[in-house]
Amino acid sequence: SAVISQKPSRDICQRGTSLTIQCQVDSQVTMMFWYRQQPGQSLTLIATANQGSEATYESGFVIDKFPISRPNLTFSTLTVSNMSPEDSSIYLCSVVVANYGYTFGSGTRLTVV
Amino acid sequence: AQTVTQSQPEMSVQEAETVTLSCTYDTSESDYYLFWYKQPPSRQMILVIRQEAYKQQNATENRFSVNFQKAAKSFSLKISDSQLGDAAMYFCAYRSVWNYGGSQGNLIFGKGTKLSVKP
Repeated sequence: SAVISQKPSRDICQRGTSLTIQCQVDSQVTMMFWYRQQPGQSLTLIATANQGSEATYESGFVIDKFPISRPNLTFSTLTVSNMSPEDSSIYLCSVVVANYGYTFGSGTRLTVV
Repeated sequence: AQTVTQSQPEMSVQEAETVTLSCTYDTSESDYYLFWYKQPPSRQMILVIRQEAYKQQNATENRFSVNFQKAAKSFSLKISDSQLGDAAMYFCAYRSVWNYGGSQGNLIFGKGTKLSVKP
């Protein structure tokens, strides 16, 4: 199965600033998913990122707030822009492997102060 | 839209005993995939077991097995011989076989069950 390196593992940021999270996969994958996990909650899909096209965002998430890049089949970034304390969450990337298998990054714990 | 419900926010089991975590889902699709994921405090999401809906046989992975009741839309996880390392959040998840709109094959998660294992 694929291995994902996600960085940073955690960060504490000032409100109004932006943070870019990176995910590097050790193999080429078509789809990458970005999830948010608020404290004590389940995972909610932010967007789906395909290489060579704009990301598709779920209801409640917009590109201006969570811009995503997908420059190639092994790499993606998610930026959390103009952060507020409500953005404090764990952010995870995920890829599909072998049609229905999923691998997750180790997550980024973001605290906004 | 598909939904996944885990009705047990927390569960507790004695070490070496057996525990069952519940999961129900709602869908109009006939073919799909179901998963159980484990998330320890390290935050890493770890696949425990998966089930293809077209397979009647319940999936088994060592101490982990599922009871898949397609008609009842139920997908419970049984952990046998519980170990201290099994303590974690457990998430049930659903995935469509077919792609719909822009959400191509993402997982839909339940709210999770926090499992504690007592020594």
